[in-house]
Amino acid sequence: SQQGEEDPQALSIQEGENATMNCSYKTSINNLQWYRQNSGRGLVHLILIRSNEREKHSGRLRVTLDTSKKSSSLLITASRAADTASYFCALNTGGFKTIFGAGTRLFVKA
Amino acid sequence: GAGVSQSPSNKVTEKGKDVELRCDPISGHTALYWYRQSLGQGLEFLIYFQGNSAPDKSGLPSDRFSAERTGGSVSTLTIQRTQQEDSAVYLCASSRDRVPEGQYFGPGTRLTVT
Repeated sequence: SQQGEEDPQALSIQEGENATMNCSYKTSINNLQWYRQNSGRGLVHLILIRSNEREKHSGRLRVTLDTSKKSSSLLITASRAADTASYFCALNTGGFKTIFGAGTRLFVKA
Repeated sequence: GAGVSQSPSNKVTEKGKDVELRCDPISGHTALYWYRQSLGQGLEFLIYFQGNSAPDKSGLPSDRFSAERTGGSVSTLTIQRTQQEDSAVYLCASSRDRVPEGQYFGPGTRLTVT
């Protein structure tokens, strides 16, 4: 399967703590993207990291990519209750087709 | 500016009926995608359109599913002879041409087949 696999499936933390989610995959990729979904409806694009990049930052988000291990991680620092959502990694293997993983459900307790 | 819009937001239909779901992408976006998401699951790729190229239909689960995109803009996903397993949220997304990048998603259509 080309699908990314997120780990853990669910994560519960206290507000202020850091949250780390991982994505592993089996195929070669052009880029990897992370998305957030609230309440089971539309997804919001968070960050894109290309295959020749190792780390990217956006606000409280930090994404790493290790192409040798075929894995990526999303770190959310100083989490807030509003970060409660499902987070998906999505693989682009070339062209425009993008394959989404099953997601990690994050719950941040106030 | 306006984002991706989808209609209807909710649709309840009887088993065996046909349904049409509509997606209006962001103006100027030439790539358009359809996904399906069952409750608590990830996104299942269905189809995507890119400019005037032939669409990639590799994700359509059966020949009951079809999609078209008129004038390079609005897209309609049609499900014929709906089955209960078709119940899901159908998400549409669009992105700009040339460089695959982040997709902009609509709010989805929740389809319930009774």
